[in-house]
Amino acid sequence: DGGITQSPKYLFRKEGQNVTLSCEQNLNHDAMYWYRQDPGQGLRLIYYSQIVNDFQKGDIAEGYSVSREKKESFPLTVTSAQKNPTAFYLCASRGQGARDEQFFGPGTRLTVL
Amino acid sequence: DQQVKQNSPSLSVQEGRISILNCDYTNSMFDYFLWYKKYPAEGPTFLISISSIKDKNEDGRFTVFLNKSAKHLSLHIVPSQPGDSAVYFCAASSNTGNQFYFGTGTSLTVIP
Repeated sequence: DGGITQSPKYLFRKEGQNVTLSCEQNLNHDAMYWYRQDPGQGLRLIYYSQIVNDFQKGDIAEGYSVSREKKESFPLTVTSAQKNPTAFYLCASRGQGARDEQFFGPGTRLTVL
Repeated sequence: DQQVKQNSPSLSVQEGRISILNCDYTNSMFDYFLWYKKYPAEGPTFLISISSIKDKNEDGRFTVFLNKSAKHLSLHIVPSQPGDSAVYFCAASSNTGNQFYFGTGTSLTVIP
């Protein structure tokens, strides 16, 4: 069963702690993305990666970091520098075709207390 | 600066009627447009897309219309069903980039 998995579904952390969100895909997609969704603001791009060991900042990268050591995995670390980390985080992947759509994972709801 | 805009945060429609969701964009380089459907606490799922070489694309009950001169696209759902109740996002991309730009979403409620 091909797809994208994100874990955990819900995550709670204390303010000042770094936290890493997992994203794994078995679709053999080269490109992977991290978005953040806040009420009334749609999906905003945090980081994306088109190939292993390479990634680019999106519109709201400050306070976040990523790695892409394997094609299947694209973890996102929310650092203590992120001022408003409480949000719904979505991971997506996409094939190589110019007109391929993105496939999304189920998301992780992060709450920082 | 929001390059893709959905100006209606919500829409209510009676079951069986037509739902029309609208989307505007500002970047003339966008040449590919998509609609996604999203249920609460889930990831968006792809619904339908359209390339700028077309002005209409149809898939079952879903039709997307593109008006390039007005930089406007719309999604028509007919007939609307209660299971269509969800948030709908439009997205756009250009063939020179690898990013998708999303609108803020429209929450559709189909009333039985």
